[in-house]
Amino acid sequence: EVQLLESGGGLVQPGGSLRLSCAASGFTFSSYAMSWVRQAPGKGLEWVSAISDSGGGSYYADSVKGRFTISRDNSKNTVYLQVNSLRVEDTAMYYCANARVGVAAIDYWGQGTLVTVSS
Amino acid sequence: QTVVTQEPSFSVSPGGTVTLTCGLSSDSVSTSHYPSWYQQTPGQAPRTLIYSTNIRSSGVPDRFSGSILGNKAALTITGAQADDECVYYCVLYMRRGISVFGGGTKLTVL
Repeated sequence: EVQLLESGGGLVQPGGSLRLSCAASGFTFSSYAMSWVRQAPGKGLEWVSAISDSGGGSYYADSVKGRFTISRDNSKNTVYLQVNSLRVEDTAMYYCANARVGVAAIDYWGQGTLVTVSS
Repeated sequence: QTVVTQEPSFSVSPGGTVTLTCGLSSDSVSTSHYPSWYQQTPGQAPRTLIYSTNIRSSGVPDRFSGSILGNKAALTITGAQADDECVYYCVLYMRRGISVFGGGTKLTVL
């Protein structure tokens, strides 16, 4: 059974940082690209970032480029999202997901970790 | 700025068939966009229905199907049930690793 378990969310002040983690199991992690998707309270889904299966390629939405960094450790079956210079508008549930076709076609999702940016 | 368009809302009668669409503001959708569809009920994580145009995710019943209709991606639900009432999102792969979600369609079954 595929499982994706996010952690690392919390309450942080504007300008602060967090590192989100997503531990994967139930599939060959190193064969799949991984993505982060977020959802602000009461809003729709927003694609945030993706990383290739090897980690050699990383991609970002314009809204987070330069502030967020995605990475992965295939030896630990874990993908990370370092979120820096946080803004109030970054408040959201952050979901980890795997992709089926390169970095496209998200399939399995985690349950999410909540990031709240507030003073 | 690329905009992925979805109907804001749609309604279907129980047992009926509905087709939701996913378009682009300034282009046609093709299989190269790997259109994918997700279902989300309040307070829950999204659930994948279809990925890469027409591949059903594990455990998804065959009354959910995906296709390209004209210049849009489409999700067709046949035999609509009460628990199909939720929000449906599509996502399109643009290029250079970037994907964009549509704003979602709130489906009402009544």
